[in-house]
Amino acid sequence: QVQLQESGPGLVKPSETLSLTCTVSGGSISSYYWSWIRQPPGKGLEWIGYIYYSGSTNYNPSLKSRVTISVDTSKNQFSLKLSSVTAADTAVYYCARRSHGYSYGIYYYYMDVWGKGTTVTVSS
Amino acid sequence: SSELTQDPAVSVALGQTVRITCQGDSLRSYYASWYQQKPGQAPVLVIYGKNNRPSGIPDRFSGSSSGNTASLTITGAQAEDEADYYCNSRDSSGNHLRVFGGGTKLTVL
Repeated sequence: QVQLQESGPGLVKPSETLSLTCTVSGGSISSYYWSWIRQPPGKGLEWIGYIYYSGSTNYNPSLKSRVTISVDTSKNQFSLKLSSVTAADTAVYYCARRSHGYSYGIYYYYMDVWGKGTTVTVSS
Repeated sequence: SSELTQDPAVSVALGQTVRITCQGDSLRSYYASWYQQKPGQAPVLVIYGKNNRPSGIPDRFSGSSSGNTASLTITGAQAEDEADYYCNSRDSSGNHLRVFGGGTKLTVL
C-alpha cells in the first residue's frame, strides 16, 4: 500500500527557509493531489496547501506569500518550502494524499494516506 | 479563526452513543471528511463523502450532514475511541481551498 515519509531538517533558524520533502512509496505520485498540513504544539491541524502531480498548486491564503510546493515525479516526491520562518512556524508537518469521489452530484475530497509527521522547530 | 466550527470537548460514557458536530457555510454544498488523532500519532481518516468508511474503520463510526452541519456519530463508544477528531472540507470562498475545524477532544468515561 502507499506510504508517505517526510524528511528534512528538524531545526531551522528564524528568517530562514524551511524545506521538507515527502517521498511516496508503494504507488505512483501520478493522478493524485498531494497535501501539506501542519500542527503547532498543543493546537489543531492547519492545511498549508496541495499540488497536483502535473504541478498545479493551491495554498492557504494566510501562508500563500511564503509557501511553495513543488513535485518531482521522477523521484516520486513532493516538497514544501516556507520562507521567512518565525517561532510561530514551529509545528509537526504532515504530508498526505488527497483522493476524491463523486456521488449524488457532488465531488468530495479526503486525505486518505498520511505520513507519520516530522517536527520542525524554529529557533536560533 | 476557522471557517469550520467544532465543540472543543465532548464526553461519552463507555458503550453509549456520541455525536461530534462541525458547522460551516461550505457544508451546505460540500461533504466533510473526518479524522481521528491520538496523542503523538498522525491523523487517520475515519469518514469521507456522504458516509463512507475506509477499510479497517469500525462500523460504529458513521457520518451525516444536514444544512450547514456535518456530524460524526460513534455508536457504542469504546475506550480506544478517546482521541481528537477533526473535520475538513472546502472553504466558502469557492477557490478550492481546504480548511480544518478546530478539533473536538472526545473523552470516554
